[in-house]
Amino acid sequence: EAGVAQSPRYKIIEKRQSVAFWCNPISGHATLYWYQQILGQGPKLLIQFQNNGVVDDSQLPKDRFSAERLKGVDSTLKIQPAKLEDSAVYLCASSIGTVSSYEQYFGPGTRLTVT
Amino acid sequence: AQSVSQHNHHVILSEAASLELGCNYSYGGTVNLFWYVQYPGQHLQLLLKYFSGDPLVKGIKGFEAEFIKSKFSFNLRKPSVQWSDTAEYFCAVANTGFQKLVFGTGTRLLVSP
Repeated sequence: EAGVAQSPRYKIIEKRQSVAFWCNPISGHATLYWYQQILGQGPKLLIQFQNNGVVDDSQLPKDRFSAERLKGVDSTLKIQPAKLEDSAVYLCASSIGTVSSYEQYFGPGTRLTVT
Repeated sequence: AQSVSQHNHHVILSEAASLELGCNYSYGGTVNLFWYVQYPGQHLQLLLKYFSGDPLVKGIKGFEAEFIKSKFSFNLRKPSVQWSDTAEYFCAVANTGFQKLVFGTGTRLLVSP
């Protein structure tokens, strides 16, 4: 079974530039998550989708971050404009559903460096 | 708001030593508890989970964790570590019935051969 795919794996941009990350979840997984993991911290949920609808985006900095999941499959996360503090690993995860009993499967992450 | 504390940020052990990583959470309701592991160069993956029932749960690779409700703790244990257990370990908590995971800051474990 193919895992969660993410691209790019690494990205370096200057502050105030924009960047986009892509995620392809495991086939059949209805729920998709984007996490931000800053160095030395645990992953923090940014946004959760159920199919193509948003379940939770309470921790998404909406003035600069946006995410979409068209057709309930792939998802993109965008930052515009980027700030130095956005340097982090952005993790995508997917699960069969939203209930806690369903395991979340994580992708390899995209490491973003903002200079 | 939920929070998770992992008090050991870095742990260094020799092979065959016993391991216990602490995890305490703050939440007033019923929770589901998880330990995730990230081996060097690999994805974050589930090690074990507690939902209900027996508070002693067993996971992959000989790991186990004990849920002590009165102490709000979910410590991870392994009787004898191996060099291949070198990884970063994350404790996480979620509301029952809802998948929003709140992670701790992680513990880096280095096992020397």
